Amino acid sequence: EPEVTQTPSHQVTQMGQEVILRCVPISNHLYFYWYRQILGQKVEFLVSFYNNEISEKSEIFDDQFSVERPDGSNFTLKIRSTKLEDSAMYFCASSVWGLMDNEQFFGPGTRLTVL
Amino acid sequence: ILNVEQSPQSLHVQEGDSTNFTCSFPSSNFYALHWYRWETAKSPEALFVMTLNGDEKKKGRISATLNTKEGYSYLYIKGSQPEDSATYLCAFIEETSYDKVIFGPGTSLSVIP
Repeated sequence: EPEVTQTPSHQVTQMGQEVILRCVPISNHLYFYWYRQILGQKVEFLVSFYNNEISEKSEIFDDQFSVERPDGSNFTLKIRSTKLEDSAMYFCASSVWGLMDNEQFFGPGTRLTVL
Repeated sequence: ILNVEQSPQSLHVQEGDSTNFTCSFPSSNFYALHWYRWETAKSPEALFVMTLNGDEKKKGRISATLNTKEGYSYLYIKGSQPEDSATYLCAFIEETSYDKVIFGPGTSLSVIP
């Protein structure tokens, strides 16, 4: 069964460093999403992406964040200069089409630890 | 800021008991509501996508109802089994931002054998 994959499973970085989290969505899906969950808190929406551009983003998704679909299969989240508060579990998801009729499929997550 | 709430926060039931929990969301600008099951060490997995007021959906022993006018959805599990132990998340999508998902905090269910 097709699945969303994410790499790495765990990333440790120093504050101020750039990190790139990678996701491979399901191949025929057209909508892509990033979420994060800080330990003990709600899952928070970061960004949705369709047709090679951001369709929605949250207040969390500031200039330090960017997303890209560089090669038609990968979907990446870049954090330019990490802060301690960026430590969280980051989930990628994809859906075949919009969310009115279609579920999201989630990847296993990347645990980001910023020291 | 949109508020999506779930209650109870956690629930412990005996195997075989039936249970239900609630998701509350803003009743205006409704677009869709999703339910996900999230087992420990796994990814969230979709249960239901609900869009119409009065919708009732069923998957095996799990069912959900939707009331968009009053802003709530119920998830029911009939005859709970240990494998139902998970966190159940609802996710609200608003009409004016239909690619943006607001998750509730989840209800953590433990089914005791």
